[in-house]
Amino acid sequence: AQSVTQLDSHVSVSEGTPVLLRCNYSSSYSPSLFWYVQHPNKGLQLLLKYTSAATLVKGINGFEAEFKKSETSFHLTKPSAHMSDAAEYFCVVSDINTDKLIFGTGTRLQVFP
Amino acid sequence: DGGITQSPKYLFRKEGQNVTLSCEQNLNHDAMYWYRQDPGQGLRLIYYSQIVNDFQKGDIAEGYSVSREKKESFPLTVTSAQKNPTAFYLCASSIDQRELFFGEGSRLTVL
Repeated sequence: AQSVTQLDSHVSVSEGTPVLLRCNYSSSYSPSLFWYVQHPNKGLQLLLKYTSAATLVKGINGFEAEFKKSETSFHLTKPSAHMSDAAEYFCVVSDINTDKLIFGTGTRLQVFP
Repeated sequence: DGGITQSPKYLFRKEGQNVTLSCEQNLNHDAMYWYRQDPGQGLRLIYYSQIVNDFQKGDIAEGYSVSREKKESFPLTVTSAQKNPTAFYLCASSIDQRELFFGEGSRLTVL
């Protein structure tokens, strides 16, 4: 069965410094992977998705993620954090059998001035 | 503007009462979903519907009920059988069951 693990529940960075949010997945097949962002008391918004095309995926707001099959990872990065990036981020894998999405437990990103 | 509208945004319920959360979409999506979100946990699927007049239980359907009489609407009823209903509820729709479009959520508190 597919699963996804977000390695950090909280990440704090200073504005202008790089962001790294870590995600590992477990899947017997080549999965579809997603990152969603949720601002406080809001719904989730898709940041980017990997569906077996290019392994480096670019998303909105300057975020990108790299699919590494050998490491079963799909880490989210951004070169320079902005205050508006403070939010909760969810790594998600699509179950190959049911097409249902399996959500990680989330990483809360804090950005300090 | 196309999107998903959830109402009410905040709802308080006394124990033993049923409440219904509304979800309406004008994206012309076939599939709709209800998720529950609790602090420190990922989203958990309650019910989903891939087509009008059909729906399936998700991972935590006990104590909840839904209907899908129209393509645009997918209301969720939280019944008195749900033992711990205080949570943030999110409705979503999709065209291919992978990329989800979410509403802004409804926060239910049981008094």
